[in-house]
Amino acid sequence: ETGVTQTPRHLVMGMTNKKSLKCEQHLGHNAMYWYKQSAKKPLELMFVYSLEERVENNSVPSRFSPECPNSSHLFLHLHTLQPEDSALYLCASSQDPTGTIYEQYFGPGTRLTVT
Amino acid sequence: AQKITQTQPGMFVQEKEAVTLDCTYDTSDQSYGLFWYKQPSSGEMIFLIYQGSYDEQNATEGRYSLNFQKARKSANLVISASQLGDSAMYFCAMREGTGGGADGLTFGKGTHLIIQP
Repeated sequence: ETGVTQTPRHLVMGMTNKKSLKCEQHLGHNAMYWYKQSAKKPLELMFVYSLEERVENNSVPSRFSPECPNSSHLFLHLHTLQPEDSALYLCASSQDPTGTIYEQYFGPGTRLTVT
Repeated sequence: AQKITQTQPGMFVQEKEAVTLDCTYDTSDQSYGLFWYKQPSSGEMIFLIYQGSYDEQNATEGRYSLNFQKARKSANLVISASQLGDSAMYFCAMREGTGGGADGLTFGKGTHLIIQP
């Protein structure tokens, strides 16, 4: 596997279900991100992890719970979601050196539908 | 106020023509980075080109170039000799700060580019 991978690619879940999205990066990066892309809205940053420590949480509802067990893996745990949470969830990774800005590489996304 | 503004929701361009996608940004930081991504219908975000705020030369990557006008806070993407495979959504994004900590990107709403044969 190369780049950034995400599983599953498609997920349909009821509002009472609990599911998890998985992201894995094979680029040797040390920062990982979750973004949400809803229809007709810009991508929204949800969570940022640098060196496995969470550094940003843009007031995301607690029904979304991230986990970063190591620098290569990132999870997004989902529970009691709402229909408006249906969206494309994108994972990204980047290097995180001090004083330099590096591009983020994205995975293919998980298309989530909440029924 | 929006940090990234893309004023063209959609564009139709004839194959082999050059196309310019507009992007203006708003930041008070001195150090920032500007990015362009391509998102085909498959959904994956593909990195195209990067411009740092202190870079004096406009960035170029193959058929992509970034027309960076700092005083106007403009970072337009230019695609030369467009191809049918260029049809996709294009997003302009900005990362503020020096990157000392991991910072997320702020994205514009995107431009849907359709290349016509």
